[in-house]
Amino acid sequence: DIVMTQSPLSLTVTPGEPASISCRSSQSLVQTNGYNYLDWYLQKAGQSPQLLIYLGSTRASGVPDRFSGSGSGTEFTLKITRVEAEDVGVYYCMQALQTPITFGQGTRLVIK
Amino acid sequence: QVQLVESGGGVVQPGRSLRLSCAASEFTFNYYAMHWVRQAPGKGLEWVAAISYDGTQKYYPDSVKGRFTISRDNSKNTLSLHMNSLRTEDTAVYFCARDTSYAPDFLEAYDLWGQGTMVTVSS
Repeated sequence: DIVMTQSPLSLTVTPGEPASISCRSSQSLVQTNGYNYLDWYLQKAGQSPQLLIYLGSTRASGVPDRFSGSGSGTEFTLKITRVEAEDVGVYYCMQALQTPITFGQGTRLVIK
Repeated sequence: QVQLVESGGGVVQPGRSLRLSCAASEFTFNYYAMHWVRQAPGKGLEWVAAISYDGTQKYYPDSVKGRFTISRDNSKNTLSLHMNSLRTEDTAVYFCARDTSYAPDFLEAYDLWGQGTMVTVSS
């Protein structure tokens, strides 16, 4: 199974400041088509997860451009250029390369 | 509107069975593979099962293989999860999620999630 490891597990950020979350996979997530099968989701309190980024760096429909995904192979990063109050919640990375599909432990973003 | 609505959760004793349903609306259900993902109280996300658009391909993690069965009825736009031999560690909120592709082998992401249904396994 592919193990997904996120860091940090908790992040406190002042509104307007940037934030960065790392995700590492135990094996490469590059498919033969050249794409990285790595997604980012945000789960707000009491809600189901929502897709932010797929295939490593493509923003999902309706996601603000302050969110960006980067990385390749086994190292990935989610960046928020300027954190807003509505960004609080738990962020998960997920590998979609192979079953069993696996998630990172989650990173809790708190506003200072 | 485009949505997924789960139902069927509840409290059940260890060793018993339960069936969850997920009703899809306002999209062409039989175009998409579908998945179940669960979340134990205060914990992270765990993938539970996947099924292709036509129901011919099914996948499970070892933790539920042989106990859970995923199925779909495309005529009723409904996804199901039959859970047998339930254990206390199966206690979780169960979400259904739409695959961006028609088969789990080509999964890119989950672009639509239901609100979840709670399953509690306790004596």
